Amino acid sequence: NAGVTQTPKFRILKIGQSMTLQCTQDMNHNYMYWYRQDPGMGLKLIYYSVGAGITDKGEVPNGYNVSRSTTEDFPLRLELAAPSQTSVYFCASSYSPESLYFGPGTRLTVL
Amino acid sequence: GDSVTQMEGPVTLSEEAFLTINCTYTATGYPSLFWYVQYPGEGLQLLLKATKADDKGSNKGFEATYRKETTSFHLEKGSVQVSDSAVYFCALRDMDSNYQLIWGAGTKLIIKP
Repeated sequence: NAGVTQTPKFRILKIGQSMTLQCTQDMNHNYMYWYRQDPGMGLKLIYYSVGAGITDKGEVPNGYNVSRSTTEDFPLRLELAAPSQTSVYFCASSYSPESLYFGPGTRLTVL
Repeated sequence: GDSVTQMEGPVTLSEEAFLTINCTYTATGYPSLFWYVQYPGEGLQLLLKATKADDKGSNKGFEATYRKETTSFHLEKGSVQVSDSAVYFCALRDMDSNYQLIWGAGTKLIIKP
């Protein structure tokens, strides 16, 4: 099993550009999450999903969108990138809300 | 709102030293508490958890006891190894929201041989 995979690992965007961060899990987990981690801060929940076709906002959803058309995939879309979105993004999945499995992260810089 | 506070890092120790990483929390109810670990270049993974007061979570030689009276969940290990070098995150699960973990900022641990 590959677990949770994220692509790309690194990306530099210009202000106003858009991109999609990909996340795939092969553990048949219903729950999936997107977090961002800023330097010296804890993880902040952006969006989460409890199953295919169901998504909901977390603590910091502004500037992002998600979709969940399959159990395996949970892409995160950034529209009109801003410097405030410079961060490390983690995707995670779980079979229960407590035991999360994380991907290795995507380091995004917006200049 | 709920919050988690961890001791600032980095924490630098010699191999075989005793480790304590402090974690305190603020919560209105009776949260579940967790320690996650992030090894270099990898995603976070669950290290241990405790779901009620006085519970002790343990894994890989690490322990943490849920202390309601001091609202703490300090991580301890009796003898650390170089392979324990990582970032350690304390978290709580908000009982008002089944899906949201509240995270501490993380503590980087460096073990020197």
